[in-house]
Amino acid sequence: EDQVTQSPEALRLQEGESSSLNCSYTVSGLRGLFWYRQDPGKGPEFLFTLYSAGEEKEKERLKATLTKKESFLHITAPKPEDSATYLCAVHHAGNNRKLIWGLGTSLAVNP
Amino acid sequence: DVKVTQSSRYLVKRTGEKVFLECVQDMDHENMFWYRQDPGLGLRLIYFSYDVKMKEKGDIPEGYSVSREKKERFSLILESASTNQTSMYLCASISSGTDTQYFGPGTRLTVL
Repeated sequence: EDQVTQSPEALRLQEGESSSLNCSYTVSGLRGLFWYRQDPGKGPEFLFTLYSAGEEKEKERLKATLTKKESFLHITAPKPEDSATYLCAVHHAGNNRKLIWGLGTSLAVNP
Repeated sequence: DVKVTQSSRYLVKRTGEKVFLECVQDMDHENMFWYRQDPGLGLRLIYFSYDVKMKEKGDIPEGYSVSREKKERFSLILESASTNQTSMYLCASISSGTDTQYFGPGTRLTVL
């Protein structure tokens, strides 16, 4: 069964304490893996798209990496404003434009 | 920048009412989507549209219908609202050349 699993469900960090969020997937024919950030009560905000194993993308304190089975979102020296839910989604061949979504990781960064 | 707007941020309706949620995008995107988001269940696809007047059911279409008369506008209709349709509703759009979905701000619907 096609599935996307994110871990941990929740993560609490101190400001400056680097960590990683995980998104593991079991789909055939990956066409893209997406990371979004969602603040409470708002729509998801696009962060990154990764297309092939070995690919990496960076934006400020965030770096996303991709292997054949999982993706990591590394957060370096986080700040309180990085607190949000981070969502992962996968697009695979034969699924038209539909994405398979993970349930997200809720990140809290304490000052 | 891609701009996706939704007609209301918050909406309160009574059981049995007909509810219209509207979504507008300004980037000439072909594909548009309606999701609902509930705690512990994540984002679930209700309907999507890949062109004007074209629609396809998502994973949870029961109790909903959609309309796409113009390319920029995609409406979600709750024919007879029920309390189990209380949720956050999110609209998204993508162009045919990419797979990246861009979301609107969401509508928090409460059905009493």
